[in-house]
Amino acid sequence: QVQLVESGGGVVQPGGSLRLSCAASGFIFSIYGMHWVRQAPGKGLEWVAFIHSYEASDRFYADSVKGRFTISRDNSRNTLHLQMNSLRPEDTAVYYCVTNQDGIDDWGQGTLVTVST
Amino acid sequence: DVVMTQSPLSLPVTLGQPASISCRSSQSLVHSDGNTDLNWFQQRPGQSPRRLIYKVSNRDSGVPDRFSGSGSGTDFTLKISRVEAEDVGVYYCMQGTHWPPWTFGQGTRVEIK
Repeated sequence: QVQLVESGGGVVQPGGSLRLSCAASGFIFSIYGMHWVRQAPGKGLEWVAFIHSYEASDRFYADSVKGRFTISRDNSRNTLHLQMNSLRPEDTAVYYCVTNQDGIDDWGQGTLVTVST
Repeated sequence: DVVMTQSPLSLPVTLGQPASISCRSSQSLVHSDGNTDLNWFQQRPGQSPRRLIYKVSNRDSGVPDRFSGSGSGTDFTLKISRVEAEDVGVYYCMQGTHWPPWTFGQGTRVEIK
C-alpha cells in the first residue's frame, strides 16, 4: 500500500531555512503528481505546493509561499522535497506529503516545522 | 481563488443518529471535461487527514457505506447515516477543479453529545 514518510522538520529561527523530504513507496512514484499541504497548530488545511510527474518543471505554489519555497522531486529515489527559505512564524505547521494519483488522495503522517526565536 | 464555505463548523451528534455537513463553493466546480472535483476528508484526533469521498459521491476503498456524498455545481453535502464513536473528528471539503490553488473548507468538528 501507499507509504509516505516525511522528515526534516524541526525548530528554526525566523529568516532561516529547512529542507523537508518525503520518502514514497507502494506505488509508481514517477508517474504521479505530488503535493505539500500544511496545517498550522489547531487550524485547518492549507495547500502549499504541487509538482507534476515527468514534467517536473511544472510546479505551482500558494501565494503565501511563492518565491520562498521550492518543491522538487527525485524520481530515481522516489523522494519529494520542499526547500523552505526566509521562514516566518506563520509558516509554523505540520507539513504533509500528499499523492495526486486520482486527485489529492493519500497523506503521510506529517513533519512539524516550528519557526520561532 | 475558489472559496469553500462549510456549515456548521461544529456538529454535536447523538450516537446512532444521522449527521449532515454542507459545503458551498464560490463558483461552480464543474470542470470543462464534465467532472466535478469535490472531495471530503476526515481527520480523526491526532491523525493525518484521510480521503472519504472523491468527485462528489464516490467512496474511497475501505470507507463505510454510512458515509455518502451528494451535490452539484456549488452546493455539496456529506452525510453520515448513523454516527459511530469512531466518526469523531474534523471533516473538510476540498475542490480540485479550479487549480491552483487547491482549496479547502474551514473544517467541521463532529463530536458526540
